[in-house]
Amino acid sequence: GQNIDQPTEMTATEGAIVQINCTYQTSGFNGLFWYQQHAGEAPTFLSYNVLDGLEEKGRFSSFLSRSKGYSYLLLKELQMKDSASYLCAVMDSNYQLIWGAGTKLIIKP
Amino acid sequence: DTEVTQTPKHLVMGMTNKKSLKCEQHMGHRAMYWYKQKAKKPPELMFVYSYEKLSINESVPSRFSPECPNSSLLNLHLHALQPEDSALYLCASSQDRGGANVLTFGAGSRLTVL
Repeated sequence: GQNIDQPTEMTATEGAIVQINCTYQTSGFNGLFWYQQHAGEAPTFLSYNVLDGLEEKGRFSSFLSRSKGYSYLLLKELQMKDSASYLCAVMDSNYQLIWGAGTKLIIKP
Repeated sequence: DTEVTQTPKHLVMGMTNKKSLKCEQHMGHRAMYWYKQKAKKPPELMFVYSYEKLSINESVPSRFSPECPNSSLLNLHLHALQPEDSALYLCASSQDRGGANVLTFGAGSRLTVL
């Protein structure tokens, strides 16, 4: 079966750095996405990785290792507005998006 | 215009009602999606339209009926729903299907079935 694992909840302090991990086992691989979703709102796109390595975009970076079936999202200089759920999703060989259950990130002052 | 617009934002309906959810995008995207999302769960794919043709139906009950009148519009017709169908219904679109095609989501329609 297809499976994506990410922690259910994480807590971090404003101004700090947090790393949200995602491991996956899917039928094929056509890229990995990270989305941010604030409570009651729609998911918004953060990053896309298809090759191994680190993609940096401002305060957010995403890393991928295809051989390990592993990705992480790194958030720097945390702000209160970063409190949200972070969803990892993998596109499989049928171009279907397989979603993780999401990681709820709580930022404390 | 880089948005996906969904109406209504909130909908309360009885089990015998017939209602519709609407979705519109003007980004020239050729793939459009309906997702259902329950609280604290990831989005669950219901239907995919590609070039205005239904390409995926994820074994959704027939009380949900999608319609794609043209490349910019996507409807979800609702009839004889059950209370367990209460959820956030998300419409999304992408340039095409597959690969690096990023989904752009609408704000969602929150449905309550009484």
